[in-house]
Amino acid sequence: AQKITQTQPGMFVQEKEAVTLDCTYDTSDPSYGLFWYKQPSSGEMIFLIYQGSYDQQNATEGRYSLNFQKARKSANLVISASQLGDSAMYFCAMRDTGANSKLTFGKGITLSVRP
Amino acid sequence: GAGVSQSPSNKVTEKGKDVELRCDPISGHTALYWYRQSLGQGLEFLIYFQGNSAPDKSGLPSDRFSAERTGGSVSTLTIQRTQQEDSAVYLCASSSQGASYNEQFFGPGTRLTVL
Repeated sequence: AQKITQTQPGMFVQEKEAVTLDCTYDTSDPSYGLFWYKQPSSGEMIFLIYQGSYDQQNATEGRYSLNFQKARKSANLVISASQLGDSAMYFCAMRDTGANSKLTFGKGITLSVRP
Repeated sequence: GAGVSQSPSNKVTEKGKDVELRCDPISGHTALYWYRQSLGQGLEFLIYFQGNSAPDKSGLPSDRFSAERTGGSVSTLTIQRTQQEDSAVYLCASSSQGASYNEQFFGPGTRLTVL
């Protein structure tokens, strides 16, 4: 069974600084995908970034980058130059490559950006 | 184009009543997912539809929960004899199989409150 672990308590970061949100995972599947989603207080789930298990390079999308350490089974999200609008819940999720490509989510991390 | 839409946005019901939640996926998306998010928790997979294949119902918590997808598009999640523990936000997502990430696009959710 797949498992995603997000154990950080609420995170705080000063505006314009960088912050790392931790995610570790467990799976026996050699091929999988890792996602990060942002959920603002309005409730919608916003896709941020994706990392495939066989990707050679860490994924980047604008101010978001993924620090993928396969041997350690970690996929930490790095947000650079934090903005006030980054305040939200952040969820790490894994998708297996079976016929059912459902996502398994972690419990999420609350990020608050201070002005 | 239009994203995933869900209705109603909020539903308050009395314990023991049946409720129906509706999801309109993005046009052309063959995969449709239902998730449940309890207060302060991550998303929990409920059911998955892919094209004309039999749905994966492995995440449904009890036989009070059922879902159907008509014509490969709109889906309805039905909860019979609602219980207070069913109170949660029910999120629908769709994806296009064959897209590079198989990224799931989420709707705004239906907040269900069972009194």
